[in-house]
Order: sequence, then structure tokens, then C-alpha cells
Amino acid sequence: DVKVTQSSRYLVKRTGEKVFLECVQDMDHENMFWYRQDPGLGLRLIYFSYDVKMKEKGDIPEGYSVSREKKERFSLILESASTSQTSMYLCASSWPRDSLRYGYTFGSGTRLTVV
Amino acid sequence: KNEVEQSPQNLTAQEGEFITINCSYSVGISALHWLQQHPGGGIVSLFMLSSGKKKHGRLIATINIQEKHSSLHITASHPRDSAVYICAVNVYGGSQGNLIFGKGTKLSVKP
Repeated sequence: DVKVTQSSRYLVKRTGEKVFLECVQDMDHENMFWYRQDPGLGLRLIYFSYDVKMKEKGDIPEGYSVSREKKERFSLILESASTSQTSMYLCASSWPRDSLRYGYTFGSGTRLTVV
Repeated sequence: KNEVEQSPQNLTAQEGEFITINCSYSVGISALHWLQQHPGGGIVSLFMLSSGKKKHGRLIATINIQEKHSSLHITASHPRDSAVYICAVNVYGGSQGNLIFGKGTKLSVKP
């Protein structure tokens, strides 16, 4: 069964800590995405990557960075965690949009609490 | 105004009822997605549509490109269908990451 795996389901971190959220996919997808989901705001795109070492900012990149050194792994980095970054984080992957197999696969999410 | 609007926001149904969730969008799209999110957070992709109608088990999704509207129907609803259903669109000509989400419809099916 194809999978997008996020390293943690629940995470509690302190304000100011550097936080790494890891996402691994086993489908050889080119595209990978990081979203955050907040009540009343829905899903918002933080960053996405369409190839190894390539990245593009989404709607809310401030306070975040990403790394994609290998095709299967896409990491989200909170350089200095703040309480405003308490949220559900979802990783997703897909084939390129012009692919006949285009469609998204999501991970199970990481609920991050910053205290 | 949100580019993707869903209605209703919340829906409670009795087991066995026929359910319809609506999605309207205001941008040109290349594809529309219906997603399901159960409590606990993980999201499952149900359908991707660019025209017409798709069916999978008790779920049916339709899209009317001219009217910029899509519906998700659940026949013979069951408590295990309780979840948040999210409509999302790829903007025509947009980048690979340009998936715009509705705010979701929370469905609760009572036994």
C-alpha cells in the first residue's frame, strides 16, 4: 500500500526550540507539500517542492524552512518555534499535474503544540 | 470571499439517509478534489474530477464546469461515514502547489 509517513503524530516543543518535522513517501512522487490546518482557516500551504533541492514558498512560509535532499524525504523546519505555530501539520505528495496518475496522497498529520 | 465555498458547514444525518455536500468555486480550474478527514487528522483522497461524474462504492461525485459547482453524494449513509469532507481545486494554469481548499463540511451520521 502506498504511503506518506510523518515521523510523529504528536509533538510538544518549547518556545524558541528548533523543530524538525519529517515526511517520507514511497511512491516516487516528484511533488511534496507541507500544509498546516487550523480551525476556521482550513488547510494552508507552507512550502512545496517539485524536485530534489527545489522548493517554492506557499501562502504562509514565514517562520518555516524546508529541505529536500532526497526525492522521498521532505522536511519542515521551524527555526525558532513560537506558540502561534501550534497547529496540525500535514504532508502530501503527488505526481506532476500533467501526469495521468495525478492525485494527492496525504500523511496522517503531526499535531504540534508549542508551549 | 473564499475562492472555494462548501455547504453546509455542519451536517447531521440518520443512518441510511442520502447525503449531499456542495462545493462552489470562483476560479478557473483544471481539477477538483474531494478529500475525507477522520478524527485524528489523516486525509484520504476520495475523488479527482475534471468533468462529469465518478462513483466509488456508496460515494458519487459530480462536477458542472459551466456552473463551477461540484457535489459529493453518499448513499445509504453509515456512522463510519462521519468525517470532515473537504473540497479542493487546482487553479487552471497555476503552479504545482496551487491547491485551494474549502473549509470543510463536518458530517455526523447517527445510528
